[in-house]
Parts: sequence; C-alpha cells; structure tokens
Amino acid sequence: QVQLVESGGGLVEPGGSLRLSCEASGFTFSDYYMSWIRQAPGRGLEWISYISNSGSAIYYADSVKGRFTISRDNAKNSLYLQMNSLRAEDTAIYYCARKGGAALHTPFEYWGQGSLVTVSS
Amino acid sequence: DVQMTQSPSTLSASVGDRVTITCRASQSISSWLAWYQQKPGKAPRLLIYQASNLEGGVPSRFSGSGSGTDFTLTINSLQPDDFATYYCQQYNSYPWPFGQGTKVEIK
Repeated sequence: QVQLVESGGGLVEPGGSLRLSCEASGFTFSDYYMSWIRQAPGRGLEWISYISNSGSAIYYADSVKGRFTISRDNAKNSLYLQMNSLRAEDTAIYYCARKGGAALHTPFEYWGQGSLVTVSS
Repeated sequence: DVQMTQSPSTLSASVGDRVTITCRASQSISSWLAWYQQKPGKAPRLLIYQASNLEGGVPSRFSGSGSGTDFTLTINSLQPDDFATYYCQQYNSYPWPFGQGTKVEIK
C-alpha cells in the first residue's frame, strides 16, 4: 500500500534552517508529481511547493519562495524540503502529498502523517 | 491567483442530517476541484475529485457537484464518523489553494 513517511521536523530558532524528508513506498515514486503542504496550529491547509516526477518543473507559494527548496531523489524514493531563513510564521505541520499521477490536473491522493516544525527562540 | 471561499466555516448538525457545504472559486476552474476530510491529529483524506467523482473507499453518502465557480459537498444521513473538518481545493492552475475549511460539529 502507498506510504509516505515524513521526518526531520523539530524546534529551530528564527533565521535557522531545517531539512524535511519524505520516504515513499508502495508505488513507483518516479511516476508521480509530489508536493509539500503545511498546516499552522489550529489553521487551514496551505500548499507550499510542487515538483514534477522528473524534477524538471518546480513551483512555490509566494510565502516560501526564495527561502524553501524542494527536491527529490527518485533512486531513493524520497522527497525533500530544505527550509532556510525560518520565521515564526513557518511553524506548522508539514505534509508531503502525492498527486494522482504525472499530471497537474490531479488531486492530492495520498498524504503522509506530517512532521511538526516549530520556529521559536 | 484563484481564491477559494468555503461556507459556512462551522456547521452544527445531528446524526442523520443532510449537510451541504459550498465552495466558490474567484474564477472558473472547470471541474478541477477536490474535497478532503480531516480529523483532529490526522492527515487530510481525499473524498471527491474532479468535482463529483467519489474516491475509492469513500461512502456513497458523500457526493459532490458543480462546475465553473460554484461547488457543493453533500453528506446524506450524517454519521458519527463524519464529524470533521472539510476542505475544498482547486487544481486547475498553480498555485493550488485550499478553502479555509468547514468544521462539522455535533449539534
């Protein structure tokens, strides 16, 4: 069955960096577009980044553009999010999510359990 | 950018009720709309895609309709397991915003 397992979250000071990982299993990772979506405590869902199956196409939300970098390693079935210049407002649960295929017009079919990032001094 | 507006933000209902949640896009998104259910402490779960298609394993009491800018999620005969927060999300064009969510509470 499809599994997405995030790791790498934790407590970091403002201005610091953190790298999240998402290990995928149960499907052919290189066939699917992937995204990161976050949820601040008590708030709604915010899509923040997307990467195509080959890694050739990448998009970011304005809120993280220039600070966060999405990447993937298809040989390791893994998705990454490098987060730099972290701010208090980046505090959230970060989910990796799989789209329905190698196409933009597909929903987020599967989600990981999430990884909590807390930015605080 | 497309903005998504859900209403109501909170809904109080009883088991057995028929519940309707609406989602409006700021511009046409054709039928590229999904609905997700989220329970406290859990990841969201896809319920409906392309406005009206039920994801596998989702009970048939859930249904979706609409196209263009106006969409609805209907739950027929609300069950105890359905008390949760529901989000719409457009995937017609980047970025892919979610609605602000509708919390379905026990009356």
